[in-house]
Amino acid sequence: KAGVTQTPRYLIKTRGQQVTLSCSPISGHRSVSWYQQTPGQGLQFLFEYFSETQRNKGNFPGRFSGRQFSNSRSEMNVSTLELGDSALYLCASSYTGTGAGNYGYTFGSGTRLTVV
Amino acid sequence: TQLLEQSPQFLSIQEGENLTVYCNSSSVFSSLQWYRQEPGEGPVLLVTVVTGGEVKKLKRLTFQFGDARKDSSLHITAAQPGDTGLYLCAGALGGSYIPTFGRGTSLIVHP
Repeated sequence: KAGVTQTPRYLIKTRGQQVTLSCSPISGHRSVSWYQQTPGQGLQFLFEYFSETQRNKGNFPGRFSGRQFSNSRSEMNVSTLELGDSALYLCASSYTGTGAGNYGYTFGSGTRLTVV
Repeated sequence: TQLLEQSPQFLSIQEGENLTVYCNSSSVFSSLQWYRQEPGEGPVLLVTVVTGGEVKKLKRLTFQFGDARKDSSLHITAAQPGDTGLYLCAGALGGSYIPTFGRGTSLIVHP
């Protein structure tokens, strides 16, 4: 079955702009989580969506938002981009989400965002 | 404060050498996962360990979960260049099901 698909793979944006990233989970998976990965901080949890509802949220400012559609595809948006938002943004798919801590995720290849 | 500490942070070895990387926490995990991430890609799940003292083997990789379920190790025998990557441990803490990730061990195996 197809894996987790993230688009685009690479993105360069200017400070102050906004960006939307997309994630299509594994077919049948209803939970999508988003992580930010930087060399200094590692993987930091952004938020989790399940059945079109944000179920958990990490410690990020309100500039970071997301949504999930009825087909489980998810998007995340970052508004008013800052240089520090440059990172690899990873989408993680799991069947229910509640099993992720016990059984792990399937990750996409990520979107590399560079803010200049 | 990092809830999950991984060591060493970096490791550069020659092909054929053995190595061990460690993952430690002051909290108890219900289970713990190890992932490997190659440059430009997302992490790939290698194994989940659940029971204290559990040992799992995946070809040349041996994973061990501490008896108290607060630590884990990954041992690679006769490392190969294809083992190069970032090794991450992760587990859910404090009743949350959202995994917390360590910062990883970056391994380079030279041919």
